[in-house]
Amino acid sequence: ETGVTQSPTHLIKTRGQQVTLRCSSQSGHNTVSWYQQALGQGPQFIFQYYREEENGRGNFPPRFSGLQFPNYSSELNVNALELDDSALYLCASSSGGERGYEQYFGPGTRLTVT
Amino acid sequence: QKEVEQDPGPLSVPEGAIVSLNCTYSNSAFQYFMWYRQYSRKGPELLMYTYSSGNKEDGRFTAQVDKSSKYISLFIRDSQPSDSATYLCAMSETGNQFYFGTGTSLTVIP
Repeated sequence: ETGVTQSPTHLIKTRGQQVTLRCSSQSGHNTVSWYQQALGQGPQFIFQYYREEENGRGNFPPRFSGLQFPNYSSELNVNALELDDSALYLCASSSGGERGYEQYFGPGTRLTVT
Repeated sequence: QKEVEQDPGPLSVPEGAIVSLNCTYSNSAFQYFMWYRQYSRKGPELLMYTYSSGNKEDGRFTAQVDKSSKYISLFIRDSQPSDSATYLCAMSETGNQFYFGTGTSLTVIP
């Protein structure tokens, strides 16, 4: 069974640029959630995708957007990057249904905005 | 007021000690209570989960939920140096959007 994978591992961008982060969910999982984890903080929920539809969104501006594909992999897009967007971006997958609360995290993408 | 409060520590204990980690929360609608372990520069790893209230035990780990006090705990018995990590609590009403604490940094000294 393959776990959750994310790419790239690290990324450095300039303020105002756009970035796309990718996530492959664990085999058998149809739900993907994205979180932002600033240094020294806990993860903050950005949004969740279930069967290609957004299924909940946290308190993040519209310049944070996402997609889920038919194979349940997912992308997180951030436009007009700001310095405060520097963080570890985590993807978590789950099977949905009765055990949908069991979220399994990938290793994360560390984004630095300069 | 934050949804979830967690003492960031750091907490340092000798090998073999019993560790107690705690979180408090403000939203009485939370029903799903999770504990994650996060090693440096890694993603969180699911350790324990509890639905509603009560206790749950898994090996050296015990999770407790007291909904009347809005307080959850994780106990680690016979702590090992490999338990050194940051421990995150997380909670949710519906099981999809989770609110995390800031994490408690634990070091177990051999």
